[in-house]
Amino acid sequence: SNSVKQTGQITVSEGASVTMNCTYTSTGYPTLFWYVEYPSKPLQLLQRETMENSKNFGGGNIKDKNSPIVKYSVQVSDSAVYYCLLGDCTDKLIFGTGTRLQVFP
Amino acid sequence: NAGVMQNPRHLVRRRGQEARLRCSPMKGHSHVYWYRQLPEEGLKFMVYLQKENIIDESGMPKERFSAEFPKEGPSILRIQQVVRGDSAAYFCATSLGNRGFRPESSGANVLTFGAGSRLTVL
Repeated sequence: SNSVKQTGQITVSEGASVTMNCTYTSTGYPTLFWYVEYPSKPLQLLQRETMENSKNFGGGNIKDKNSPIVKYSVQVSDSAVYYCLLGDCTDKLIFGTGTRLQVFP
Repeated sequence: NAGVMQNPRHLVRRRGQEARLRCSPMKGHSHVYWYRQLPEEGLKFMVYLQKENIIDESGMPKERFSAEFPKEGPSILRIQQVVRGDSAAYFCATSLGNRGFRPESSGANVLTFGAGSRLTVL
């Protein structure tokens, strides 16, 4: 069955580059969304990755594929929870548990 | 366009009372998703509704929870006889599309989230 896994927490200093992984398993042709949740604000769409714009998709069954998001030279204001969502041909999205990014000055 | 509006933003209830959370979709959106975020946990899917229909309620607890999306008015998530474990943030998200999240759906199925309703049960 479809699933999504994310790293729980990442702590870095300002200026660092951060890679947040999203490892998914899908039986179809998935679409991946990245959303960010800043404190006290609605989730915002960061990135959408579909079969057309990605080299990652070979079609058919996909197991434990990683589709990371990379942020360069992070700032304290980038501290948030980053969610990876997996969508397929059904109407249900599967959420990852989120990666909490903490950036210290 | 005011986006997805949820109210109340904060709701306090005593055990045994009822909680009603409302979600007004973005203009033109007819698909509503409810998610729950428990303390120290990620977002979990609860229910997916289209106008007047429940499409998928596989994430809803079997008892005390119900959801509706009437022809007119907002979607409502209703929790009867609340218990302390119901304390959480409840998020609503809405979208345009009705073809799932296949790539050819283009941007129609991008979700727009509300700011959430935080329920505290005393």
